[in-house]
Amino acid sequence: NAGVTQTPKFRVLKTGQSMTLLCAQDMNHEYMYWYRQDPGMGLRLIHYSVGEGTTAKGEVPDGYNVSRLKKQNFLLGLESAAPSQTSVYFCASSYSGGDSNIQYFGAGTRLSVL
Amino acid sequence: LAKTTQPISMDSYEGQEVNITCSHNNIATNDYITWYQQFPSQGPRFIIQGYKTKVTNEVASLFIPADRKSSTLSLPRVSLSDTAVYYCLTTFLYNQGGKLIFGQGTELSVKP
Repeated sequence: NAGVTQTPKFRVLKTGQSMTLLCAQDMNHEYMYWYRQDPGMGLRLIHYSVGEGTTAKGEVPDGYNVSRLKKQNFLLGLESAAPSQTSVYFCASSYSGGDSNIQYFGAGTRLSVL
Repeated sequence: LAKTTQPISMDSYEGQEVNITCSHNNIATNDYITWYQQFPSQGPRFIIQGYKTKVTNEVASLFIPADRKSSTLSLPRVSLSDTAVYYCLTTFLYNQGGKLIFGQGTELSVKP
């Protein structure tokens, strides 16, 4: 039982390049989330999904796209990377998104955009 | 918007009890209060969750007064391995329009 797995762990991009971050969970959770963490900013929600085939915007969605084609996978895409997207990205999943939402996090992806 | 406020940092010594208080004045009726722990280079990890009064598990206790406008995470007899950042979160995703607010967290430093 691996929990939440993020791929890759590290990545360096040049401005304007594109990439996709993959998140996989094996807990049969309905809800999945993508966050970014910057120094002094805590965790900020980028996009989330309440089930296969559905996605929604979080607090800071600009510059990112997501897809949830399979229940266990949640992809985060950067179409044209910018230095402002240098950050640590965390994926999380939860059984529900309601009152007692408990999220399980991956180990993170450290992204640098030059 | 359910925003939480916590102290930015706290210092403690091994063996002491540590209490971290979180303010959540705008907590909604349906919101639970959840605490996470994060070590460097790792994702946050769930510690404890509660709705009212007191909750205790093998790791911590959570005290919630009747008005639910604040909560206190209590870590008994901390050790060096409890050095981490602790986040308080009130959650009800849809009421907040997709804004799960983790805030800056409290950086706890435990000294020998």
